Amino acid sequence: QPVLTQSSSASASLGSSVRLTCTLSSGHSSYIILWHQQQPGKAPRYLMKVDGSGRYNKGSGVPDRFSGSSSGADRYLTISNLQSEDEADYYCETWDSNTFWVFGGGTKLTVL
Amino acid sequence: QVQLQQSGPGLVKPSQTLSLTCAISGDSVSSNSAAWNWIRQSPSRGLEWLGRTYYRSKWYNDYAVSVKSRISINPDTSKNQFSLQLNSVTPEDTAVYYCARSRTDLDLWGPGTMVTVSS
Repeated sequence: QPVLTQSSSASASLGSSVRLTCTLSSGHSSYIILWHQQQPGKAPRYLMKVDGSGRYNKGSGVPDRFSGSSSGADRYLTISNLQSEDEADYYCETWDSNTFWVFGGGTKLTVL
Repeated sequence: QVQLQQSGPGLVKPSQTLSLTCAISGDSVSSNSAAWNWIRQSPSRGLEWLGRTYYRSKWYNDYAVSVKSRISINPDTSKNQFSLQLNSVTPEDTAVYYCARSRTDLDLWGPGTMVTVSS
């Protein structure tokens, strides 16, 4: 079954860019992953899906500042021109026919 | 605009049954292209997918191995909603419970319900 690994925390300055990483476990490097954002006290919100070729497809209403990419088993979420409202937890997720939806541990993003 | 609205008690006693409902507006629980999921989130377990129900000419269910012996997810087509029942709860089942829609992606979340298991 796939395991998704994320750094527990990240920080970047207001107006700068940050790239968050989600790493797929061995044998699952081709998997598509989804990114979700969870602002403090709120439910998660779907941001986008990213495939192994680096193609990404955003959900409705997701700002242009958010983009996705990939390299090998790594899937990235890049946020440019960071805003205060981007301070949130970011989770990656994937689907497997045996375990269904599997989540990473999340990255807490602090906007300085 | 599709929305999910959750309801159910926030406090359940140990050994009893946790019951939550998710009402759907703007989509159909009987959709042939969607599945309807329950997910929970706790500090100790993170985000954990619990199960789903979906209709493809007939009704299907899938459940996580961790709760398979205790869980039931059922559609209610007359009210366009679906429900979660988790039996024999313990304090480890304390979490925020979310309903969610998946099509090719898990693309819509409900607002969440905090459920505490305590006597």
